Amino acid sequence: EPEVTQTPSHQVTQMGQEVILRCVPISNHLYFYWYRQILGQKVEFLVSFYNNEISEKSEIFDDQFSVERPDGSNFTLKIRSTKLEDSAMYFCASHPSRGRGNEQFFGPGTRLTVL
Amino acid sequence: AQKITQTQPGMFVQEKEAVTLDCTYDTSDQSYGLFWYKQPSSGEMIFLIYQGSYDEQNATEGRYSLNFQKARKSANLVISASQLGDSAMYFCAMRGPASGGSYIPTFGRGTSLIVHP
Repeated sequence: EPEVTQTPSHQVTQMGQEVILRCVPISNHLYFYWYRQILGQKVEFLVSFYNNEISEKSEIFDDQFSVERPDGSNFTLKIRSTKLEDSAMYFCASHPSRGRGNEQFFGPGTRLTVL
Repeated sequence: AQKITQTQPGMFVQEKEAVTLDCTYDTSDQSYGLFWYKQPSSGEMIFLIYQGSYDEQNATEGRYSLNFQKARKSANLVISASQLGDSAMYFCAMRGPASGGSYIPTFGRGTSLIVHP
């Protein structure tokens, strides 16, 4: 069964450094999302992406964040200058244009630790 | 604005028994969808079940069923015959009407379920 993949599984970085989190959504999916989950808290929406542009973004998704689909398969989240509070699990998700309930398929997540 | 409330931070259940995880929601949308996700200790988010606001029957997926009470705005997850592998965090989420095919789910704070042998 096709699945969303994310790399790396764990990223450790120094405060102020740039990080790029990578995702490969399911191949025939058209809508892509990034979420974050701070340890022990709920999942929070960051950004949605469709047709090579951002559809919606939350207030969390400020100028430090950017997303890109550089080729036909990868979907990346870049954090320009990481802060301690960016430490969280970051999930990528995707869904097709139609489907049962339009459920989003989540990747396994990247745990980002900012020191 | 949409809101999801999960009032049970933690639940315990004996193996092979059934357990109900509560979820209430608030929305002004007429069309919406409700989801449950499972998050084991390994961290991934696993889709369990979906209920559309216009679905007349409660959704079922194997041992999972969703007790949808629209008038009460509740969408409780029922897990029958609990297994040790069911121990995990469970998140209720809802989405509003899709806008151009895209939708943004709102998640609850989750319920931690522990299944005892």
